[in-house]
Amino acid sequence: AQTVTQSQPEMSVQEAETVTLSCTYDTSESDYYLFWYKQPPSRQMILVIRQEAYKQQNATENRFSVNFQKAAKSFSLKISDSQLGDAAMYFCAYRSGQETSGSRLTFGEGTQLTVNP
Amino acid sequence: KAGVTQTPRYLIKTRGQQVTLSCSPISGHRSVSWYQQTPGQGLQFLFEYFSETQRNKGNFPGRFSGRQFSNSRSEMNVSTLELGDSALYLCASRRGSRTYEQYFGPGTRLTVT
Repeated sequence: AQTVTQSQPEMSVQEAETVTLSCTYDTSESDYYLFWYKQPPSRQMILVIRQEAYKQQNATENRFSVNFQKAAKSFSLKISDSQLGDAAMYFCAYRSGQETSGSRLTFGEGTQLTVNP
Repeated sequence: KAGVTQTPRYLIKTRGQQVTLSCSPISGHRSVSWYQQTPGQGLQFLFEYFSETQRNKGNFPGRFSGRQFSNSRSEMNVSTLELGDSALYLCASRRGSRTYEQYFGPGTRLTVT
């Protein structure tokens, strides 16, 4: 079974600064997808960024980028130029590439990010 | 295009009762997945429905069941409610079996007293 671990329950960052959230995972599969989701106080889960395991290039979405280290099974999220609206719980998630797994996501415990003005 | 909708948004039930939650996916999406979120257990996968068929099931007791209708709307049912069933129930939809992006609804907050 796959597991996802986020070792930082809480993080804080000053507005306009950069912060990195850590995520490690364990799997024996070679085909999988990794995601970062954001859950603000409204509880609506929002997809921030995704990474396909077969792609060596790290994904980037505007101020959000990942550092995907496949051999180390590490998938960290970097938020640049942090904004007050980035304050939320961030979840790292794993999805198997096997068709039989469907859309099943395995989530980490989450990291609560606070952005200080 | 409207997002994923869930009804009701809040619900209070008593132990032993049963409850039905509803999820309407984004138009054109055929897959609906359900997740339970609690402070203790985090986010856990319940099940997925695709074209009215359950494709995958998480490690939950048989009291948790679901179904999907021909219009892709899905319902989740929990029978004989327990205090530990208090949680935020999230559903997510995606277009097809080969798409990996899922879009989540706002959730239904269930409180069991």
